[in-house]
Amino acid sequence: DAGITQSPRHKVTETGTPVTLRCHQTENHRYMYWYRQDPGHGLRLIHYSYGVKDTDKGEVSDGYSVSRSKTEDFLLTLESATSSQTSVYFCAISARGSSYNEQFFGPGTRLTVL
Amino acid sequence: AQTVTQSQPEMSVQEAETVTLSCTYDTSESNYYLFWYKQPPSRQMILVIRQEAYKQQNATENRFSVNFQKAAKSFSLKISDSQLGDTAMYFCAFAYNNDMRFGAGTRLTVKP
Repeated sequence: DAGITQSPRHKVTETGTPVTLRCHQTENHRYMYWYRQDPGHGLRLIHYSYGVKDTDKGEVSDGYSVSRSKTEDFLLTLESATSSQTSVYFCAISARGSSYNEQFFGPGTRLTVL
Repeated sequence: AQTVTQSQPEMSVQEAETVTLSCTYDTSESNYYLFWYKQPPSRQMILVIRQEAYKQQNATENRFSVNFQKAAKSFSLKISDSQLGDTAMYFCAFAYNNDMRFGAGTRLTVKP
C-alpha cells in the first residue's frame, strides 16, 4: 500500500468553526489531491498540488483552501464549516499527475458538520 | 467540462459468473486516460484497471477487462469468474491534465 495517512479519521464539528484536515505521504510524490465523496456524486476534486507551494483549484473548491509547505504534507482547510461540507474527504497522491499515472488514495476522513 | 456517467446504480451477480459494468463519458479531448476503481466496505479506493485513450487494445488485468469504444465514448468493465471479494462500489474515472472526474458509482453485490 502507498504510504498515505490522513488525520483525523473522523471529526464532528459545529457550523462556523474552522477545520483542518491533514494528508501525509511517505512516497515523495510530487502531486497531491483532495477529493470529497458524497452519495450520488462519486468523488469530486477540491484542490490539488503539483509541488511545494504550488496548488490549483478543482471542480468544487468554493469554501476550501489548501496549503503545501513540505512535499509530504497537504492540508485542507474549511475556514468556516457549513453543513453542506459534511462528507468523506480523500487525499490522493500521484507520481506524475493524474493524466499519466493512477492515483493512490488515503483511507479517508469522515467529517460531520452539525 | 468532462462528465462521466454510470447508468447502473446497483447490480448483482452470482459467484463464478460474469458481469459487465457500464460507463460513458463526454469530452472533446483526444488523449486522456480512463480508470476503474473499486471501493469495498473498508472505504479504501483501489485501482482495478487503466486504459490510455491512444491505445486501441483493450486493457486486461487477470479477471478484469475493459471494452473501450473511443468513438462511442464508452468504457465498460467486465469481471469474469466473480468472487465474493469483488463485492464493492465501482467507480469509472476520466483523467485529463490533472483533472480527474468520477462517475457516481455502481454498487456490485456478488451472491454465493
